[in-house]
Amino acid sequence: EDKVVQSPLSLVVHEGDTVTLNCSYEVTNFRSLLWYKQEKKAPTFLFMLTSSGIEKKSGRLSSILDKKELFSILNITATQTGDSAIYLCAVVAGYGGSQGNLIFGKGTKLSVKP
Amino acid sequence: GAVVSQHPSRVICKSGTSVKIECRSLDFQATTMFWYRQFPKQSLMLMATSNEGSKATYEQGVEKDKFLINHASLTLSTLTVTSAHPEDSSFYICSARDYTSGGSGELFFGEGSRLTVL
Repeated sequence: EDKVVQSPLSLVVHEGDTVTLNCSYEVTNFRSLLWYKQEKKAPTFLFMLTSSGIEKKSGRLSSILDKKELFSILNITATQTGDSAIYLCAVVAGYGGSQGNLIFGKGTKLSVKP
Repeated sequence: GAVVSQHPSRVICKSGTSVKIECRSLDFQATTMFWYRQFPKQSLMLMATSNEGSKATYEQGVEKDKFLINHASLTLSTLTVTSAHPEDSSFYICSARDYTSGGSGELFFGEGSRLTVL
């Protein structure tokens, strides 16, 4: 059975701290891994990763994928209270033509205190 | 960028009534849309894949007669919760993929609809 496991499930830090969120997966026919940030409503897209070892960066956020060890990390440096959210990891897998099947992890709830 | 609009954002209904939620892709055509359900403090759970012009594909454990999905056009999919009960109260989110962007990662989400069944 395909699965995506995120850790930790929740995390409390102070502004300025650096955090690392983990996502491991076991799926059939891996195609890509995605990170989303969810605040009050629907998730917003952060990164899509398809190749190992290539870091993707956007401001204070960065992410990298290890297809050999089947995991990805999302780093947030110099955290701010606005980073407080649930971070979702999802894996596209399967043989569904160009669509694939999106499998979500349970998410990591990040709380950044002033 | 591509936008997916969902309506209504919030609905409260009485037990036994039916509720329809709309999901529209505003500036692209979506042959496939996805419907998710999210319980408090939990992740998104895929309910069904909505295919334009054909029947939806439901995930295991999701009642197709309870959650009716219609994808009548390339820009609109609807989810109807029939004979709603309090346990159907949840946050429902739709998503659609913009083919023109290529790749499998550009999945755009609607704003979500919070259903409360009294």
